Amino acid sequence: DAGVIQSPRHEVTEMGQEVTLRCKPISGHNSLFWYRQTMMRGLELLIYFNNNVPIDDSGMPEDRFSAKMPNASFSTLKIQPSEPRDSAVYFCASNFGTGNYGYTFGSGTRLTVV
Amino acid sequence: QKEVEQDPGPLSVPEGAIVSLNCTYSNSAFQYFMWYRQYSRKGPELLMYTYSSGNKEDGRFTAQVDKSSKYISLFIRDSQPSDSATYLCAMSPNTGNQFYFGTGTSLTVIP
Repeated sequence: DAGVIQSPRHEVTEMGQEVTLRCKPISGHNSLFWYRQTMMRGLELLIYFNNNVPIDDSGMPEDRFSAKMPNASFSTLKIQPSEPRDSAVYFCASNFGTGNYGYTFGSGTRLTVV
Repeated sequence: QKEVEQDPGPLSVPEGAIVSLNCTYSNSAFQYFMWYRQYSRKGPELLMYTYSSGNKEDGRFTAQVDKSSKYISLFIRDSQPSDSATYLCAMSPNTGNQFYFGTGTSLTVIP
């Protein structure tokens, strides 16, 4: 298995532009999580899906952020419009939804908004 | 107060030393405890997984959970330069699927 696959690895964009981050979870995993990591705040859960349905989006910082999971093998996190304070590493993770198994993380997308 | 507290370090030790990494937490409902290792510019990877109180050993790594004190530890014996990374604790209550992470402790093992 190739693991959790995220793209792009790096993204540099100008303030105000739309940014779309992509994630392919491990085949067979039915829960998917989007995290944001910064030096100051560590890993913060933004949203998670179970069987493609959003379960908890209370971590999404504001309406500029949206996430979708149209099928079991693909999810997107969109920021529109982007702001410099959105600069961070965004991780996608997946696991089996039943039981408290650990996550498998992707390699992350490093976002810089200038 | 954050749900999970972790000293960010940095922690620097000589090769061969015993390393102790710790987290405290406030939510007595946490039942599942994990340690992740994160190398620079990589995603976190699961290192140890424990349920409830007690110890778990895996090679040079030992995880301890003391639920009465709301305190968990990770010990690394005979530390190696390849252990240099950030270590994050994570925990979850007995229901649901969300894990709460510490901010991570940066460890450097000097050859």
